[in-house]
Amino acid sequence: AQSVTQPDIHITVSEGASLELRCNYSYGATPYLFWYVQSPGQGLQLLLKYFSGDTLVQGIKGFEAEFKRSQSSFNLRKPSVHWSDAAEYFCAVGATNFGNEKLTFGTGTRLTIIP
Amino acid sequence: GAVVSQHPSWVICKSGTSVKIECRSLDFQATTMFWYRQFPKQSLMLMATSNEGSKATYEQGVEKDKFLINHASLTLSTLTVTSAHPEDSSFYICSARDTRRGANSPLHFGNGTRLTVT
Repeated sequence: AQSVTQPDIHITVSEGASLELRCNYSYGATPYLFWYVQSPGQGLQLLLKYFSGDTLVQGIKGFEAEFKRSQSSFNLRKPSVHWSDAAEYFCAVGATNFGNEKLTFGTGTRLTIIP
Repeated sequence: GAVVSQHPSWVICKSGTSVKIECRSLDFQATTMFWYRQFPKQSLMLMATSNEGSKATYEQGVEKDKFLINHASLTLSTLTVTSAHPEDSSFYICSARDTRRGANSPLHFGNGTRLTVT
C-alpha cells in the first residue's frame, strides 16, 4: 500500500527566507507525486506534480520540488517565501498520473510566515 | 479554469437529522467525483468514489448507509450524512476530474463544507 510521511507538522519561516517542506513516500512502483496547498477553510490547490522525466519540477507560485528515488523523497522548496504562502501543505502519492485511482495524502505541514 | 463548487460551505445541524452536501463541476463534466473527510489538523481521508449513473465505491470502514452518495448527472454529486451525530462533525471536501480531458487532467477540489453537529 502507498503511504506518505510529512515529518514536520508545523514550520515557521521569516518572510523572504527560503523554504523546504519534507515529504517521504512509500510505494512499490513508480510513484506519481503531488503537492497541494490549502488555505484555511478552503479546498486544495495543486502546486505541482511529478510523474516522469526531469526530477526537478516547477510549479505555480514559485514553488519547485525534487524527486529523489534513492531517498524516496519529494521535498517542496521555494527560494523566498511571501506572507501569502502561509497555509497548509499536503504531499500526496497516486498510483497513476491523475487517474481515478486514489490519492494518499500526508498529514500536512502548516506553514507560518513571520515578518 | 475548471471550478468545483460545494454547497453549503458550512452547516450546523442537530443530532439525528440528515444533511445533504452538493458538489458541482461548473464548466466540465465529471463521471467520477471523490469525497474526502478531513478532521482538524489532519489529512484528507478518501471516503468514497462517486460514479455517475452507478453505485458509489466506499473505502473500508466508511458506512454506506450513513454516508449516502448520489451522482445522478455528469455535473453533480451529493453526499448525505444521515442521522448525524457529533462525531460526524468534520470538514468534507469533494474533487472531480474533467472526463473529456482524460486521465491526464488534474483533480479539481471544492472549497469544502464544514459540518457541525450539535
